[in-house]
Amino acid sequence: DIVMTQSPDSLAVSLGERATINCKSSQSVLYNSNNKNYLAWYQQKPGQPPKLLIYWASTRESGVPDRFSGSGSGTDFTLTISSLQAEDVAVYYCQQYYATPYTFGQGTKLEI
Amino acid sequence: QVQLVQSGAEVKKPGASVRLSCKASGYTFITYKMHWVRQAPGQGLEWMGIIDPSGGITAYARKFQGRVTMTRDTSTSTVYMELNSLRSEDTAVYYCGRDSLDDGDYGDYWGQGTLVTVSS
Repeated sequence: DIVMTQSPDSLAVSLGERATINCKSSQSVLYNSNNKNYLAWYQQKPGQPPKLLIYWASTRESGVPDRFSGSGSGTDFTLTISSLQAEDVAVYYCQQYYATPYTFGQGTKLEI
Repeated sequence: QVQLVQSGAEVKKPGASVRLSCKASGYTFITYKMHWVRQAPGQGLEWMGIIDPSGGITAYARKFQGRVTMTRDTSTSTVYMELNSLRSEDTAVYYCGRDSLDDGDYGDYWGQGTLVTVSS
């Protein structure tokens, strides 16, 4: 199984500041034939299901504010929130969908 | 609009089975695969498997193979997830999630979740 490791486990950022969450996969999730990274990011608030933010490592889901961005390739990925808003307090997960089982990172708790 | 409505909370004894449902609306049911993911209390997300409603083909995480069965009823646009031989570690919120129509298997819409409590 591909192991996804996020860092840090928790993060406190001031309102308006940048938040950066890292995700590392135990093997590459880049599919060479189409040059796509099979990596998604989700946001989960307490008592709610996960919400898709980013797919293909850097494509923002429709309706997601442009302060959220994803980057990286191969085994190392980053979710960046450019200017933290109060409503961004949540747990963030990366997930690889390169190979089953489609494993998640352990989550990063983002606080203000 | 896309909606995934899951069945209500369940309380089961160890060794029992549970069957959860996820009713889809707002899109063509057989066009999109469906994931099942669970979350133990205070823990992260765990992918369990996926079903293609068009033909019923499934893929399960090795951890659950032999204990999980995912099925669908196209007449009611509902997918089901049955988990057998329940143990306390199966206490979790179970989510269904619609797969994207994209080339990749990520979930773009999610149900509200069903809490399953396993306790003697």
